[in-house]
Amino acid sequence: DAKTTQPPSMDCAEGRAANLPCNHSTISGNEYVYWYRQIHSQGPQYIIHGLKNNETNEMASLIITEDRKSSTLILPHATLRDTAVYYCIVRVGHGSGNTGKLIFGQGTTLQVKP
Amino acid sequence: NAGVTQTPKFQVLKTGQSMTLQCAQDMNHEYMSWYRQDPGMGLRLIHYSVGAGITDQGEVPNGYNVSRSTTEDFPLRLLSAAPSQTSVYFCASRHLETQYFGPGTRLLVL
Repeated sequence: DAKTTQPPSMDCAEGRAANLPCNHSTISGNEYVYWYRQIHSQGPQYIIHGLKNNETNEMASLIITEDRKSSTLILPHATLRDTAVYYCIVRVGHGSGNTGKLIFGQGTTLQVKP
Repeated sequence: NAGVTQTPKFQVLKTGQSMTLQCAQDMNHEYMSWYRQDPGMGLRLIHYSVGAGITDQGEVPNGYNVSRSTTEDFPLRLLSAAPSQTSVYFCASRHLETQYFGPGTRLLVL
C-alpha cells in the first residue's frame, strides 16, 4: 500500500469549508484513496473513497489530482462536531481476493473553532 | 441494525490473566477485523477474517488469538495479559469499500 503524508493538525472556523490535504506520490494505478475520521474516543467512521474521479457524498467531497499523487478532502460547512482526527489511506480496492486491511497513519487533527 | 457491537466497554486485568473481548455484527458481513490503538497513535491491525472458519494475522498478532465460528461473531482472546497490551481495541466489519467500526473496548493491564 502506498504511503501517505498528512499535516499533523489544522484549524477551521465553524461554517467555513475545511480542506484537508493528503500526499500519496507513490500511489499505484489500482489503489484507491480512502478517508476515515475518528472523533475523540470513538471508533473510526468511513467518510468517502475514490479512484480517479472526484467524489461527493452527504458528508464530504474528495478531489483527486489528475496525476493522482495528492488529494483533498473537503468538508463544505464545518461544524464543531467535525472536530476529529482525519485519516487518509491508500490501498487496493476491497475486491474479491483482497484482505481488506487498512493501515492507519497519524492522520490530521482538525480543530473546528467557533 | 445494531451494527458492530463490542463488550465489555472497559476492563482491568492483572498481568498474566486471560480474557476474551467480544465482537458481533448483524449486517451479515464476511470480513471482520481487530485493531488496537495506543495513546496518540493510529490503529494497528491485529487479526482479521474473510469469512467463517478463516482467520489470518495482521501487523501485531503476538499475544492474541482469534476464531470465527459464525459470520456474526469474531472474539479476540488475550492468552496471558501483559502491560504492553494496555490499549483501546476496535473491531470492524466490511461491506464493499466501507468498514464499520465498533465503539471500542478500553483495556488496562496492571
